[in-house]
Amino acid sequence: QKEVEQNSGPLSVPEGAIASLNCTYSDRGSQSFFWYRQYSGKSPELIMFIYSNGDKEDGRFTAQLNKASQYVSLLIRDSQPSDSATYLCAVNKAGRRALTFGSGTRLQVQP
Amino acid sequence: DGGITQSPKYLFRKEGQNVTLSCEQNLNHDAMYWYRQDPGQGLRLIYYSQIVNDFQKGDIAEGYSVSREKKESFPLTVTSAQKNPTAFYLCASSSTVNTEAFFGQGTRLTVV
Repeated sequence: QKEVEQNSGPLSVPEGAIASLNCTYSDRGSQSFFWYRQYSGKSPELIMFIYSNGDKEDGRFTAQLNKASQYVSLLIRDSQPSDSATYLCAVNKAGRRALTFGSGTRLQVQP
Repeated sequence: DGGITQSPKYLFRKEGQNVTLSCEQNLNHDAMYWYRQDPGQGLRLIYYSQIVNDFQKGDIAEGYSVSREKKESFPLTVTSAQKNPTAFYLCASSSTVNTEAFFGQGTRLTVV
C-alpha cells in the first residue's frame, strides 16, 4: 500500500463545475495535510493545508479532513480552465521530518 | 523579494561526471529539502536538513550528497554513482519541520 494514494486521473470537469480531488494515507499518526498545484513543467505551489478534522475554506478551495477514515480531499468550486493542473497531496507522517507526497491527480477543466 | 532560487534551470551531464545543483533561500527558513520527480510521478525525498551543519538521508539518497554550511544554502551533488539521474530536481524550504514547504522553480537534469 502506498503511503499517500491519489487517483492519477485525468479528472475532467466542465467549466463552472465543482472538482473533487481525493487522497488517502496509510499512517494514522499523520498530523498535517497539504495540497499543492503543479502546472506542467513547473514546480509545485502550495494551495492550502489542514490540520484538524472538518472543512477549511479559502476562496474557491475547500480542504476536507477525516482522520478516522484517513482521507483528505480538495474541492474546487467554479472550476476554471486555469485550474487545469496536477494536484499533489502531501502528508507529514509521524516521526518523519519531511513531507510525503502522493503521485498526483491530473485535473482537466473543459471550457 | 523573498523566495527560493534554484540554478541552473536546465543542466546537461555527461555520464561519469558529478554535477552540483544550487539552492538558495532568503526566507530565513530552518529546514530545507531536496526532492526528485520523474515523469508522471510524485516527489521522492532525497535529503533534508533541519538546521545548519545537519542533514539526513531521505528515501533515495544513494548516489547523491549534500551540505548545509549556511542557513540559506543547501546544494545537492549528483555523483557518478547515481545510475539514472535524469529527472526534475526540486528544492524546498519550510520555517521548521512539519510546516508547509515552499519550492524553488526546479532544475531539469539530463544525462547526455
